[in-house]
Amino acid sequence: GQQLNQSPQSMFIQEGEDVSMNCTSSSIFNTWLWYKQDPGEGPVLLIALYKAGELTSNGRLTAQFGITRKDSFLNISASIPSDVGIYFCAGSGGINSGTYKYIFGTGTRLKVLA
Amino acid sequence: NAGVMQNPRHLVRRRGQEARLRCSPMKGHSHVYWYRQLPEEGLKFMVYLQKENIIDESGMPKERFSAEFPKEGPSILRIQQVVRGDSAAYFCASSNWDKGGAEAFFGQGTRLTVV
Repeated sequence: GQQLNQSPQSMFIQEGEDVSMNCTSSSIFNTWLWYKQDPGEGPVLLIALYKAGELTSNGRLTAQFGITRKDSFLNISASIPSDVGIYFCAGSGGINSGTYKYIFGTGTRLKVLA
Repeated sequence: NAGVMQNPRHLVRRRGQEARLRCSPMKGHSHVYWYRQLPEEGLKFMVYLQKENIIDESGMPKERFSAEFPKEGPSILRIQQVVRGDSAAYFCASSNWDKGGAEAFFGQGTRLTVV
């Protein structure tokens, strides 16, 4: 079945640093979503991407839809302690493919050192 | 506009009992997904439903697990004769592909503990 690999698996950074993580797939997706999950909570949608090459920002977060449609990237600028959590990517074939199922990545665990 | 509502938040069942997990999607959403998450792991797809139809159940165990999304009322994930290995967090998400909405929104999850 389809799999999404996220890297890095975990990272420790200093407050104020920028963070980069990525997600790669063995299959093409038409939609990429990025989520953040805090302990004991459900995933919260951060950014949605719909077109290859698209670059979208949400505050200090910026995500890109890779041009091959097999990868996506998330950057967090000037990290703060509340950025700690698990970040998941998710891909879906989307309306054009008739495949509406979302496949999730393995997650990147972010810890911010004050 | 209420988000995805799941209940109960926590559920404790003895081995052999049945567990029923409920999910009310966001208003106007007709697509529901169930995912399972073990501690320190990612979200594993279980089943995808539209109103009254199971579209994809490829991630759901063939035995003891079932899901439904009736015309009226919440989606139900049912686990019969629970075993300790069923202990996990179960998350529901909804989306609205019918209106071009590709974003999936999650509930707070139900944490099932089998004792």
